[in-house]
Amino acid sequence: GAGVSQTPSNKVTEKGKYVELRCDPISGHTALYWYRQSLGQGPEFLIYFQGTGAADDSGLPNDRFFAVRPEGSVSTLKIQRTERGDSAVYLCASSFPDSGSGNTIYFGEGSWLTVV
Amino acid sequence: KNEVEQSPQNLTAQEGEFITINCSYSVGISALHWLQQHPGGGIVSLFMLSSGKKKHGRLIATINIQEKHSSLHITASHPRDSAVYICAVTPRSDRDDKIIFGKGTRLHILP
Repeated sequence: GAGVSQTPSNKVTEKGKYVELRCDPISGHTALYWYRQSLGQGPEFLIYFQGTGAADDSGLPNDRFFAVRPEGSVSTLKIQRTERGDSAVYLCASSFPDSGSGNTIYFGEGSWLTVV
Repeated sequence: KNEVEQSPQNLTAQEGEFITINCSYSVGISALHWLQQHPGGGIVSLFMLSSGKKKHGRLIATINIQEKHSSLHITASHPRDSAVYICAVTPRSDRDDKIIFGKGTRLHILP
């Protein structure tokens, strides 16, 4: 597609429920990032994929959070047993790494998750 | 201490004023990014810098690698420039290019 697409754009769920957030990156981008942004804060790193594998998942806050990218394109962020503190904007970004010189990163519009 | 620090955190200015937002970082980098986030909106990449200076319209970004410092300038500011401006860096690493973000500067331009 033309840009990074995230669905749903808004999700309200009850505490304890399971949620999936989807990210469709720009075609050909091998790097995919998930970030979480709380009100008034900058984005907080969650997980980074290079191709199909999670190159760095050190930002996932606990084992209720999991992300997959089985075919190296679309990624799904999965949150089990949601808590009110999980409420945030979940941002996905993709890039085509050019080692040593940095790369332009493209963001989706975000998925606004509210846990009530 | 955060690896990427921005100042000011909040800035309110009158339309037409020259705006400067600063970013300091503490790690070696391969690139620095300036991003713009409108209220309720996604994030747009404004600049990616590894040295020197870049200009796009009324926006200018500079970086001093030795001092680990970058500035974003907005000339002839306009209310539509009101947004959160985020500085982010790609650390110099053989392992990956995970980006580290600053907390953002909230800019409000008054008409």
